[in-house]
Amino acid sequence: DTAVSQTPKYLVTQMGNDKSIKCEQNLGHDTMYWYKQDSKKFLKIMFSYNNKELIINETVPNRFSPKSPDKAHLNLHINSLELGDSAVYFCASSQGLAGLNTGELFFGEGSRLTVL
Amino acid sequence: AQTVTQSQPEMSVQEAETVTLSCTYDTSESDYYLFWYKQPPSRQMILVIRQEAYKQQNATENRFSVNFQKAAKSFSLKISDSQLGDAAMYFCAWMGVGTSYGKLTFGQGTILTVHP
Repeated sequence: DTAVSQTPKYLVTQMGNDKSIKCEQNLGHDTMYWYKQDSKKFLKIMFSYNNKELIINETVPNRFSPKSPDKAHLNLHINSLELGDSAVYFCASSQGLAGLNTGELFFGEGSRLTVL
Repeated sequence: AQTVTQSQPEMSVQEAETVTLSCTYDTSESDYYLFWYKQPPSRQMILVIRQEAYKQQNATENRFSVNFQKAAKSFSLKISDSQLGDAAMYFCAWMGVGTSYGKLTFGQGTILTVHP
């Protein structure tokens, strides 16, 4: 049983389209994240949610809108896709608020988005 | 802002030999965690080892160990008895304690090749 699962794993789309990536975790964690890995493999946090509340928003364009319907799900919707949005998007989860969070994030397998 | 630097874009090692991957970081915080994550070709990010900054003792996980030099802000990973399955991209990461809600700052990564 996959701990953190993302769908789709691969997504190819045209500029200007709107797309969503879904993430679910079955670990009972209360904190979920979206990280972006660019073409040079550099990983950077985009968003963090704790108990469905947005905690971190790292100056991501407002075309990106995360939504957390419950603690186990964190979806990423992207409007008006641009070429520069091509990347691998990783969902992750962890347990614990600040001070308890030991930093061990459990990552999904990533969703490779290609914008043509 | 915190930065993490991995100065070795690529490293290679013979099977059964030992290899050390370098990582330096810059932070003004006194309490934090450091990590090494592994990303094999499957893309999944896997935690290899974690070090709490307040602990002087270097962390060890089977064939993986770290050399943590807090004053020098250095955190290297040693892989002993290298195996073909160790081939992957390795990322060093930093996380502050208390307020970061799991916000990891990653280095650029080091590609490790293991030769049979």
